[in-house]
Amino acid sequence: SAVISQKPSRDICQRGTSLTIQCQVDSQVTMMFWYRQQPGQSLTLIATANQGSEATYESGFVIDKFPISRPNLTFSTLTVSNMSPEDSSIYLCSVMGDARGRSTDTQYFGPGTRLTVL
Amino acid sequence: DQQVKQNSPSLSVQEGRISILNCDYTNSMFDYFLWYKKYPAEGPTFLISISSIKDKNEDGRFTVFLNKSAKHLSLHIVPSQPGDSAVYFCAAIKVGSARQLTFGSGTQLTVLP
Repeated sequence: SAVISQKPSRDICQRGTSLTIQCQVDSQVTMMFWYRQQPGQSLTLIATANQGSEATYESGFVIDKFPISRPNLTFSTLTVSNMSPEDSSIYLCSVMGDARGRSTDTQYFGPGTRLTVL
Repeated sequence: DQQVKQNSPSLSVQEGRISILNCDYTNSMFDYFLWYKKYPAEGPTFLISISSIKDKNEDGRFTVFLNKSAKHLSLHIVPSQPGDSAVYFCAAIKVGSARQLTFGSGTQLTVLP
């Protein structure tokens, strides 16, 4: 499976500011996703990061609040904009597939970014 | 609308015994199911998966059973070890989707020494 790293691993931010989270994979992958796990809850998909085009957002999530970039097959960023305490969560990226286009149904997750908004 | 449900938020099992974690789903369009284990401050770790065309998949101490008619799957861990103590999530993927995961709410497994 791919090795996935995220930066930062954690951060404490002030209300109204923005934070960009980076996800780096050690091999090319076809699909990258961003999830959120709010305290005491399950994982919820935010969006699918599409290489070279706009991300595909799930219901309840919008680009202005969670802009996503994916400039290549190994890297993606998620920005949490104009943060409020309700954005305090663990943010996780996940990957699937490989650069040859072979699609698998198993997603592998990064270690997560724990965000606290004061 | 919770399409994947884990009705037991917690489970305690004695070391060496069997752990059975359950998961129910409501959407018949799910065609692939996965189990993940999550420790605090870490991302979910993939454990085992099963396609909807099968009713059982086994990998070492982990076995997943799928009952399509009941829309139910279970994860069996035999024998349970203290290191298995974690939150277990079941997840499902829909036919024809972009393969996004829909997660259950998780079950905290505690294996007692």
